[in-house]
Formats: sequence, structure tokens, C-alpha cells
Amino acid sequence: EPEVTQTPSHQVTQMGQEVILRCVPISNHLYFYWYRQILGQKVEFLVSFYNNEISEKSEIFDDQFSVERPDGSNFTLKIRSTKLEDSAMYFCASSEASRDTFFGSGTQLSVL
Amino acid sequence: AQSVAQPEDQVNVAEGNPLTVKCTYSVSGNPYLFWYVQYPNRGLQFLLKYITGDNLVKGSYGFEAEFNKSQTSFHLKKPSALVSDSALYFCAVRLSGNTPLVFGKGTRLSVIA
Repeated sequence: EPEVTQTPSHQVTQMGQEVILRCVPISNHLYFYWYRQILGQKVEFLVSFYNNEISEKSEIFDDQFSVERPDGSNFTLKIRSTKLEDSAMYFCASSEASRDTFFGSGTQLSVL
Repeated sequence: AQSVAQPEDQVNVAEGNPLTVKCTYSVSGNPYLFWYVQYPNRGLQFLLKYITGDNLVKGSYGFEAEFNKSQTSFHLKKPSALVSDSALYFCAVRLSGNTPLVFGKGTRLSVIA
């Protein structure tokens, strides 16, 4: 069964450093998403991406965040200068048009 | 704005007993409703959804959920719980096919042998 894959599964970084979280969505999907889950809290939407541009973003997704689809398969989330409060599990997701959303297994980001 | 409420942080049930995990929603318009399950150190797995049609929807692993428009609820149920059902369950809503999902805070289900 096709799946969304995310790398790395764990990322530890120092405050102020840049991190890039990587995702390979399901190959025929057109819509891509990033969500995050701070420990013990609910899953929160960050950004959606369609047709090579951001289609929607939440207030969490400020100027420190960016997304990119550098080639036909990868979808990345970059945090330019990490803060302690960016520590969370980050989930990538993808969907076909108006179909189910499939999530990856997540990247646990720890900012020290 | 859309919102989802899961009133219980924790649900405990004995193996073999029926289980219910509650979810209510608030949305302007017709909702698309979902249940996801998260096992430890894993991602979110799709369980089932309601888009339209029959109010009782059946999903993976023997789970089902009933859409109740008058009570704006979408409770998750299973007739006979298994220890392996122990996990974190999230209810989610969206307005249309490609809009972002809005999640509840999750309910931890513990099934005791």
C-alpha cells in the first residue's frame, strides 16, 4: 500500500539553527500538508500546498517557516531559526483531490 | 470557524466490552468528519469518515461511527474492545475535500485485559 514517508524520524538541533524536514508524499497525490503536534496537545494545521504554491496557512506558519517541492517527489518544511517552542512532532500528509488524507509517521523535532 | 471537541481525555474499558469515544463538532455548512488513530511513536492512521449518505459508517479494525446532525456528534464505537485498540484517537472535521483538517485534542483509549 502506498504511504507518505518522512525523514528523519528524529531531529535534534540547537536553538537558532535551521532545520529541513523531508517528506515524500504518495505519488499520485496533488495536495500536500504539514501539521504539528506539540507533546500532549492536539494536532495543528500549519500549511497546505497545491500546484506549486501555498494554498492555505495557519497563524503558526510565520516567516520562520517555508515549504518547497524541489522536485517531483519531495516536499520539505524548513524552519529558518528554530526556537524552543518549535519542539514538536511534525506530520506530513497528502491527498488526491477531495479524497482521504494520508499521514506520514512524523519527525520528532527537539530544539535544545 | 470549525472546531472539534473530544470531551474525554481518557477512556478505560475492559476487553470484550463495547467502547465509545465521543466527538462533537461545530462547523458552518456540511461537515466532512473523520477518525484517526495514533499508536505510540507512529503517525496518524485513517480509521473512517463520513461525507454523506448513511449516518452509520464502518471503518478499519471493526470500528464504526454514527453521524448525528441534530446533536452535531460523530461518536466512535466498537462492539467488543481489544487490548490492541489501546491508542490515542483523534476526531477531525473539514468543510470540503481539500481544506485542512481541524482536529480534536484526542482521547486516550485504554483497553484492559
